[in-house]
Amino acid sequence: GQSLEQPSEVTAVEGAIVQINCTYQTSGFYGLSWYQQHDGGAPTFLSYNALDGLEETGRFSSFLSRSDSYGYLLLQELQMKDSASYFCAVRVYNNAGNMLTFGGGTRLMVKP
Amino acid sequence: DADVTQTPRNRITKTGKRIMLECSQTKGHDRMYWYRQDPGLGLRLIYYSFDVKDINKGEISDGYSVSRQAQAKFSLSLESAIPNQTALYFCATSDSGTDSTDTQYFGPGTRLTVL
Repeated sequence: GQSLEQPSEVTAVEGAIVQINCTYQTSGFYGLSWYQQHDGGAPTFLSYNALDGLEETGRFSSFLSRSDSYGYLLLQELQMKDSASYFCAVRVYNNAGNMLTFGGGTRLMVKP
Repeated sequence: DADVTQTPRNRITKTGKRIMLECSQTKGHDRMYWYRQDPGLGLRLIYYSFDVKDINKGEISDGYSVSRQAQAKFSLSLESAIPNQTALYFCATSDSGTDSTDTQYFGPGTRLTVL
């Protein structure tokens, strides 16, 4: 099976930088995705890493190290609207094809 | 109009009742998924379907069944609901053909309470 570990809660101030880590144990690894979910809303896709290194999309960046089974989501210039839960998800390959397994989520609270 | 819709959005039912949650999508995606979300446990996969004739069990399929009536429709049934099935249920879709990231697009969710 698969297992993912990420912190349950992180607090930061507006304008700061925050890093949310994700470690995983899995077989058939394809890549690591990140999703954002605001309270009462649906998860939405943020980023995907299939190869080692950093992917940047505006204020958000995501990093993957396949050899360390580790990734992180970096949020810069934090805004109040970034307060949400963030989920890492491993994309794995099994007999039926490929699928996602989600971590438990990290609740980010941005304070003024 | 929303690309992935779920009905109902909220449902309260009693133990032992049969419940069906429905999902429709206009994205033209071939893949559809049903997830359950409980506080602190993230999203757990119940069933998934990679095309109309393909149904696969996920991590927590016991007590649930699904039907893929068409490419655009994927329904989840609880044959005899029990209180520990109280949760937020999400349907999602993805496109295997053109999206190398296999991004999943989620519906708005159905909040189910079993008394």
